[in-house]
Amino acid sequence: DAKTTQPNSMESNEEEPVHLPCNHSTISGTDYIHWYRQLPSQGPEYVIHGLTSNVNNRMASLAIAEDRKSSTLILHRATLRDAAVYYCILVNNAGNMLTFGGGTRLMVKP
Amino acid sequence: GAGVSQSPSNKVTEKGKDVELRCDPISGHTALYWYRQSLGQGLEFLIYFQGNSAPDKSGLPSDRFSAERTGGSVSTLTIQRTQQEDSAVYLCASIGAGRGSETQYFGPGTRLLVL
Repeated sequence: DAKTTQPNSMESNEEEPVHLPCNHSTISGTDYIHWYRQLPSQGPEYVIHGLTSNVNNRMASLAIAEDRKSSTLILHRATLRDAAVYYCILVNNAGNMLTFGGGTRLMVKP
Repeated sequence: GAGVSQSPSNKVTEKGKDVELRCDPISGHTALYWYRQSLGQGLEFLIYFQGNSAPDKSGLPSDRFSAERTGGSVSTLTIQRTQQEDSAVYLCASIGAGRGSETQYFGPGTRLLVL
């Protein structure tokens, strides 16, 4: 099974950019890279996803390595509300989540 | 409704009892997932329904766990003879057509405590 690896935790200062890494060295060619985040006492919410090209949306940017074996979620200006656990997830084209990373707990300091 | 809903929000039960957890997915979504999240842990996949296909039950931890999806909409996760290690948050998510390019929408979860 494809697996993802993320750091357990990261810290950031408010209003600074945050780069959250994820390694997925056994990703297959048709696996999508999804990022979700989970705020305390809530279900996960979608952040962004991509296949090969870098992606931007109103929440974040996703930078995908050329070989697709790693990706980085970029929060351009961290706010206190961005403090959450961020999950990097591989999803095949049948919609099956192949595996979960352990998630990165992001702490944002004022 | 606008999103995925789950009931009950919280459930406390005694060891050995059966429990049923309900998930109402977003209307029209053909794919539905159940996950379990133990305290401080990541999400553990349990089961996946996609349209009329046979469900992917590969994540169910034991035969005490089962799930149904009636009429392609509401799903019920049943845990028989509950054990203390079943205590966790049970999350449901739905997705439009079950393709990898689509977003999963998660419900708020059911917090199960087995005494």
